[in-house]
Parts: sequence; C-alpha cells; structure tokens
Amino acid sequence: NAGVTQTPKFQVLKTGQSMTLQCAQDMNHNSMYWYRQDPGMGLRLIYYSASEGTTDKGEVPNGYNVSRLNKREFSLRLESAAPSQTSVYFCASSTRPGTGGDQPQHFGDGTRLSIL
Amino acid sequence: GQSLEQPSEVTAVEGAIVQINCTYQTSGFYGLSWYQQHDGGAPTFLSYNALDGLEETGRFSSFLSRSDSYGYLLLQELQMKDSASYFCAVRPPNTGFQKLVFGTGTRLLVSP
Repeated sequence: NAGVTQTPKFQVLKTGQSMTLQCAQDMNHNSMYWYRQDPGMGLRLIYYSASEGTTDKGEVPNGYNVSRLNKREFSLRLESAAPSQTSVYFCASSTRPGTGGDQPQHFGDGTRLSIL
Repeated sequence: GQSLEQPSEVTAVEGAIVQINCTYQTSGFYGLSWYQQHDGGAPTFLSYNALDGLEETGRFSSFLSRSDSYGYLLLQELQMKDSASYFCAVRPPNTGFQKLVFGTGTRLLVSP
C-alpha cells in the first residue's frame, strides 16, 4: 500500500538549475497539494489541485510551477532554483474536502532539497 | 487573513498528561485538525473537531471552542514515542475550503 510517493528523496542543485519534483498517489484522491517546510516552521502551501485539470496558488507560489498530469500525479517544478528555495517539500493528497467535514491529508515522505 | 498560534515547545515526562494549545484568528472555517510529525518524517493526521467540544481517540483527545477561538490537543499516558511536533490546522472558507492552513507547530519532548 504505497499511499503518496515522492521522488527524489534528496537533491542538491546549483543556483539557476531547474528540476521537477514528482508526486503520485494511489488512493484515488481528487485533491493534491505541495507544501514546503523550513526548519522550525510549519507547512506552507505552495500550490494545490482540487481536481484533475485544475491548479491554484497557495501562500508561497513564487518561483514554482505545477502540473496535474492526471488524477494520480502532481509535479512541482523549480525553473531557476535559488538558495531561498532550500527546504523540505511535501506532497499530500486527500478526498475532495466538503464544507461540513474534513478529509485527512495523506503526506509523502518528502524531498529534501538543497540549493547551493 | 489566517493565523494559528501554538507554543513552540512543551516538555513532559513519561506517563504524564500534556495539553498543546492552538489559538486562531480565522473566522468562518469548518473544524480544527491536528497532525503529528516525527523528526525526519511526514505529517500524519491525528484528529478532527467538526463541532465544539471534546473528541477522544485512545490516549489522544482534541477540543474546540469557536466562541473562544481556541482548541487544544490532550495527550495522556505519555510515551517516549509521542516525542514529535504537533500542528493544528484549519480550512478557511475563502478557497471553498480547499486549502489547509497549518499552525506554527509545537515540539513535544517526552523524557523518561
């Protein structure tokens, strides 16, 4: 039972390089999310996708792009990496939340990204 | 805007009871969630309060009071494995409740 799978687990980039973080879920969830977590801080939403074919900005979208490739996959791209983007990146998925209740988010193990 | 505040760190001993508070300045949301994250690990869902009052799940309980803009997570019979960071979270209404906004997190240290 894989849940949410992120690749790679670790990556070191040089300033200005580009890369794509991959995320896939096998729980048939509609909603998917990308967060970043900096030391001693909470999770900040970068982008989210409420359903296949839609994406929306979160709190900190600058410097990132996303693609909801299909229902299972949601990728995050850094076009020109900057040292300020050094962080741990988490992908999450959930059943589409409703107004009356909550749907737990299921997180991947994270990608630890360092930009020199 | 949304703001959820938590104490940065709480310490306790094995077997004790600890309460982690979450105060917020967000209106119109539906419910309060709690997530646990061990060092180097991924956040995992713990509990959700849809209504005011106390929800109990084993050794963990969570409380919500909308009128006081306040919630807490109560951990009983603490074990060493409970050492982790705990985050409260809400879904604000301005995005159709799609976004989950997290608090700053509380690091719980359980000692023998």
